[in-house]
Amino acid sequence: GAGVSQSPSNKVTEKGKDVELRCDPISGHTALYWYRQSLGQGLEFLIYFQGNSAPDKSGLPSDRFSAERTGGSVSTLTIQRTQQEDSAVYLCASSGARGGNQPQHFGDGTRLSIL
Amino acid sequence: AQTVTQSQPEMSVQEAETVTLSCTYDTSENNYYLFWYKQPPSRQMILVIRQEAYKQQNATENRFSVNFQKAAKSFSLKISDSQLGDTAMYFCAFRSANRDDKIIFGKGTRLHILP
Repeated sequence: GAGVSQSPSNKVTEKGKDVELRCDPISGHTALYWYRQSLGQGLEFLIYFQGNSAPDKSGLPSDRFSAERTGGSVSTLTIQRTQQEDSAVYLCASSGARGGNQPQHFGDGTRLSIL
Repeated sequence: AQTVTQSQPEMSVQEAETVTLSCTYDTSENNYYLFWYKQPPSRQMILVIRQEAYKQQNATENRFSVNFQKAAKSFSLKISDSQLGDTAMYFCAFRSANRDDKIIFGKGTRLHILP
């Protein structure tokens, strides 16, 4: 497919478990973003990868959250020891140009539910 | 640091009416890009319209147009002849053109089109 792909689309897990969310950006896109969106709310920035630069981690809410991007393509967002307040939709987006006018292309998100 | 403010958390209009969503931003940059995204209940984020700051002419895409006031740092979205399918969350976004800065989103305006 040509779009941003996220998996799984839904994830239900018990409090205290670790989860991994995956994002496949559009091929060739250098920028990749992770956001968190609580029900009916706005986008909460989590982390930003741009090419080979050090990622901007300023939005990660706690040290339980981490993300990596392997080979400048696929990214995984890991949440350790999940808490109920981690329940949200996690959106990934990618864009093609450095500092350019290219818009972000979003995936459909992963809906995470912590029981 | 750049900020984006959407002062209307929620709006409702009758079908076929015209509605304007407001957005203001703060930046010291002279060259940048502005975007409006739509997020319907299906949660897929869709680019509606974009504007380059160096262009004086307001961008238009069918029923969607913007009123870009650079000096006032204002970027409102006008939806003409509103349709039920326009019901969605609308996000205003800013991105600097000069560096690898991340895109900045406002908190969104929830728009209801009433039959």
